[in-house]
Formats: sequence, structure tokens, C-alpha cells
Amino acid sequence: NAGVTQTPKFRVLKTGQSMTLLCAQDMNHEYMYWYRQDPGMGLRLIHYSVGEGTTAKGEVPDGYNVSRLKKQNFLLGLESAAPSQTSVYFCASSYGGQAGELFFGEGSRLTVL
Amino acid sequence: DQQVKQNSPSLSVQEGRISILNCDYTNSMFDYFLWYKKYPAEGPTFLISISSIKDKNEDGRFTVFLNKSAKHLSLHIVPSQPGDSAVYFCAAKFFGSRADGLTFGKGTHLIIQP
Repeated sequence: NAGVTQTPKFRVLKTGQSMTLLCAQDMNHEYMYWYRQDPGMGLRLIHYSVGEGTTAKGEVPDGYNVSRLKKQNFLLGLESAAPSQTSVYFCASSYGGQAGELFFGEGSRLTVL
Repeated sequence: DQQVKQNSPSLSVQEGRISILNCDYTNSMFDYFLWYKKYPAEGPTFLISISSIKDKNEDGRFTVFLNKSAKHLSLHIVPSQPGDSAVYFCAAKFFGSRADGLTFGKGTHLIIQP
């Protein structure tokens, strides 16, 4: 019962490098999300997807791209990493319940030097 | 402009006593409110939710109270246990939206003292 799995768990990048975070869920959820958590800032929505092949911008989308080629996977890309993107990234999924409950992965800690 | 506010970054409570975590919101278009608990190096986990048409929801040691007129909700934990030490996030969902995600507060770090 894996739930939501994120890879990698940790990554250190140099400014200007690119990378992709992978999120996989095995709950057959339709909706998937990428959040970032920064000290004193709570969780902020980067991008989300309401189904395979669809994506939408959240509160802080600049500098990120996403893709949802398969229902179970949601990829978050950084084309040219900046120190301001140093953060902990959380992927979440949802079945679209009335309360909007999200199921989160364990997080990916990214440091950009 | 923060729509969900948790004004206490941290709270220290003695084991066995009641912990009360507070949350304020500004947008009247929220229809559900949720509390999440987060341990270090783990993802947030869902704790309890409340619909905007209710004023109380209880689940074991956890009770959430909603005061719509004051745009305020609180999470009560009774009795507090050492395992309750964690960061608690208040979150809200917009009316009619099942897909747009949740809006989170900044979190309150609860520390249960032995």
C-alpha cells in the first residue's frame, strides 16, 4: 500500500541546472497536486492536474513546469533552477471527495546552490 | 494576501492537558475546513474536517469547532499526548470545487511537554 510516492527524496542542484521530480500514486485518484513548503510560509500550490493530459497553475507556478502523461504520475520540472526554489516539495492526490481531502507523499527536499 | 491564517507559530502544552489550535480565514467562499498533522521528514496527514454548515465535529480526542460569524475555527485535543507533538496545518476548500486543491495556513508547531 504505497499511496503517494515521490522520487528523489533529496537533491542538490547548482543554479541553472534542470531536474524533474516524479510523483506516483496507486490509489487511482483523478486529481494530483504539487505544493512547496518553506519556513514560515506554509504549503503553497504550484501546479495541479484534474486528469490525465491536463494541468493548471496554482498560486506559485513561475519557474516550474508539469506534465501528467499517465493518470498515476505527475511530474514537476525545473528548467533552470534558482536558489529561491530551495524548498521541500510535496505531491498530493485526491479522489475529489466533498471535503477535498488530499493524500500527501513524504516530500522531496531540494537545495539549489 | 493570506486567506487562511494561523497566528501562533508555536504552542507548548503539558501532557494530559487540552491543546487548542486556532485558525482564522477571510474568504466566505470556503465550504470545508480541514486540519492536517505533520511530523518532521514526513508528509502531512489528514486529521479531521468540518463542513461550513456545521459548528462542531468530533473524532476521538480531536474536536474542531467552527464559528462562521467570526470566521474562526479551532482544533481541540484532549487529553494531549506526547505523540501529538507535530506541526498542525489548517486548510480550507473553496465552495463547489473538488479539484482545485486546498488553501493552507502557515502551521502551528505543537509541543507536548511531559
